Amino acid sequence: NAGVTQTPKFRVLKTGQSMTLLCAQDMNHEYMYWYRQDPGMGLRLIHYSVGEGTTAKGEVPDGYNVSRLKKQNFLLGLESAAPSQTSVYFCASSQLYPSTDTQYFGPGTRLTVL
Amino acid sequence: SQQGEEDPQALSIQEGENATMNCSYKTSINNLQWYRQNSGRGLVHLILIRSNEREKHSGRLRVTLDTSKKSSSLLITASRAADTASYFCATDAVNSGNTPLVFGKGTRLSVIA
Repeated sequence: NAGVTQTPKFRVLKTGQSMTLLCAQDMNHEYMYWYRQDPGMGLRLIHYSVGEGTTAKGEVPDGYNVSRLKKQNFLLGLESAAPSQTSVYFCASSQLYPSTDTQYFGPGTRLTVL
Repeated sequence: SQQGEEDPQALSIQEGENATMNCSYKTSINNLQWYRQNSGRGLVHLILIRSNEREKHSGRLRVTLDTSKKSSSLLITASRAADTASYFCATDAVNSGNTPLVFGKGTRLSVIA
């Protein structure tokens, strides 16, 4: 099993450009999450999904959109990138509700917005 | 909406010594989890402790939970250079709103060989 994979690993954008980050998991997990990690800030939840076709806002959702059309994939979109979105983005998944279950993380995507 | 906060922010020890990290949180929880992150990698789950548990062990890891003080500690015994990483606690704050699991800012542990 590959676990949780993320595409791409690195990306540099100019302000105003758009992009989509792809997360895929092969563990048949119900829950999927997108976090951002900034120096000194820990992980902050952007959006999450409790099942195929569902999405919900996390702590810092502004400027991002998500979709979960297939159970194994969770896409994070930036419609108009801003320098404040420079960060490392992590995707994670879990079978059960996050407070009661292990979250499995992907390797991360390092995004720089110029 | 920071819930858990680790202490210290950074810790440097010699190989073979024990490392203790603490996590304090603000509101009642159901469970508390600890994760490790090696530099440039994703987080890896270490251990989950429920609010009705006081202590849990996993290999060289020992986690305690004191709900009256709203705090948890992670002890790594006989540390190794490979334990060098950042360690995060994560809580499911009862009143966390739209954040089902809230991570602290982490403790950076350096184990010197």
